Amino acid sequence: DQQVKQNSPSLSVQEGRISILNCDYTNSMFDYFLWYKKYPAEGPTFLISISSIKDKNEDGRFTVFLNKSAKHLSLHIVPSQPGDSAVYFCAASGDPRDDKIIFGKGTRLHILP
Amino acid sequence: DVKVTQSSRYLVKRTGEKVFLECVQDMDHENMFWYRQDPGLGLRLIYFSYDVKMKEKGDIPEGYSVSREKKERFSLILESASTNQTSMYLCASSLAGHLYSPLHFGNGTRLTVT
Repeated sequence: DQQVKQNSPSLSVQEGRISILNCDYTNSMFDYFLWYKKYPAEGPTFLISISSIKDKNEDGRFTVFLNKSAKHLSLHIVPSQPGDSAVYFCAASGDPRDDKIIFGKGTRLHILP
Repeated sequence: DVKVTQSSRYLVKRTGEKVFLECVQDMDHENMFWYRQDPGLGLRLIYFSYDVKMKEKGDIPEGYSVSREKKERFSLILESASTNQTSMYLCASSLAGHLYSPLHFGNGTRLTVT
C-alpha cells in the first residue's frame, strides 16, 4: 500500500510559468515532508522540506504547501526555468512505528521553451 | 559539503555472480541507506544502518545483504545476481535522528545483470 502518492507521472510547463507538483499521503503519523530533485545519471538532491507545524515553507523560487487535513502537499516553482526539468520525489517521515523516509514514485517535470 | 561516493557508475555482471556495491561518505554521518530506483516504482529502500555493525531490512531486502564494518562505509551485496536486480542503486547518508534530517545521495550505480 502506497503511503506517499504522486499521481502525475509527468508534467509539462512553459518556461516562466508556475510549476505545481502534487503529493498525497495516507499515514497521519507523518510529520515531516521533503522534496528531492533528480537529474538523469545523478543521485537525488534535497530541495526543500516542511514540518507539520507549518503550512508553508519558502526558499527562493520554491515553496512547499502542506494541508494536513487533506493529507496533501504541493511544491510550487515560480518562475519555472529550463534547469528545473528533472524528476521530483516527494518523501515523508515521522511515524515512530516505522523509522524510515518513504518516497513517492516521482513526477517528471518538463520545462518547455 | 557532504560527499557520498559510490565506487562504480556503471557495472555489468552475469547472472549468478556475487556483486559488491561500495559506498563511502565523508561527513561522519551515523545513518546510511541503500535504495534502488526503477521506472514507475520510485525509490525503494533495500537496507539501512544506524551505526557500525548494525543493519535493518528495508522494504525489499530479498536477494541482498549489507555490511557496515566502518562508520563511513556501507556495502551492498548481491549474493547471486539475477536479471531482476538490474537497476539504478543509490546510496545515501544522514545525521542521527534521521526522521528530521535530509538524506544525502551518491550519484548512483547503474547495474545491468545479463
